[in-house]
Amino acid sequence: AQSVTQPDIHITVSEGASLELRCNYSYGATPYLFWYVQSPGQGLQLLLKYFSGDTLVQGIKGFEAEFKRSQSSFNLRKPSVHWSDAAEYFCAVLAPAGNKLTFGGGTRVLVKP
Amino acid sequence: DTGVSQNPRHKITKRGQNVTFRCDPISEHNRLYWYRQTLGQGPEFLTYFQNEAQLEKSRLLSDRFSAERPKGSFSTLEIQRTEQGDSAMYLCASSGGSYNSPLHFGNGTRLTVT
Repeated sequence: AQSVTQPDIHITVSEGASLELRCNYSYGATPYLFWYVQSPGQGLQLLLKYFSGDTLVQGIKGFEAEFKRSQSSFNLRKPSVHWSDAAEYFCAVLAPAGNKLTFGGGTRVLVKP
Repeated sequence: DTGVSQNPRHKITKRGQNVTFRCDPISEHNRLYWYRQTLGQGPEFLTYFQNEAQLEKSRLLSDRFSAERPKGSFSTLEIQRTEQGDSAMYLCASSGGSYNSPLHFGNGTRLTVT
């Protein structure tokens, strides 16, 4: 069965510093990959997705993610964090021809002034 | 595009009572999903509809849970004889186009069972 691991439960970063969130997946073939963000009390908003092609994908709010097949990873990055980026971030995978997204456990990001 | 709408936002109920949640997807979306999210966890898949047909159900969805999507528009999720372990955020999402189109999520219904 496919699975998604986000090794970091919490990350604290200073405003203006760079951010990298890790995501590893386990699946026989390359799945479709997504990053979502969830602010407190809100639903999930799509940041970016990877289906195929260029392994570096750009998303909204200045985020990008890099797919590395050899490492089964899809890490999310942002060069300079803003206080409004404080939220919980979820990596998710969709099996080719599958019906449902499988989510990782999430990483909560705290931003220090 | 008014987004995915879920009602109510919050529900507090006593153990043993039945509750029903409603989800109104984005109007042109034919796929509708229910997920459950407990504190500190990622969303867990519960069930999926394509139009009015319920095509997949998770093993998490016990026989106390039932979901419907009459006419392929809005959906309801009912929990009978609620238990404290049912306390969670229930998220609805919809998508359209191809099967790998991104999901659009509602803001969820937070259920507290006392």
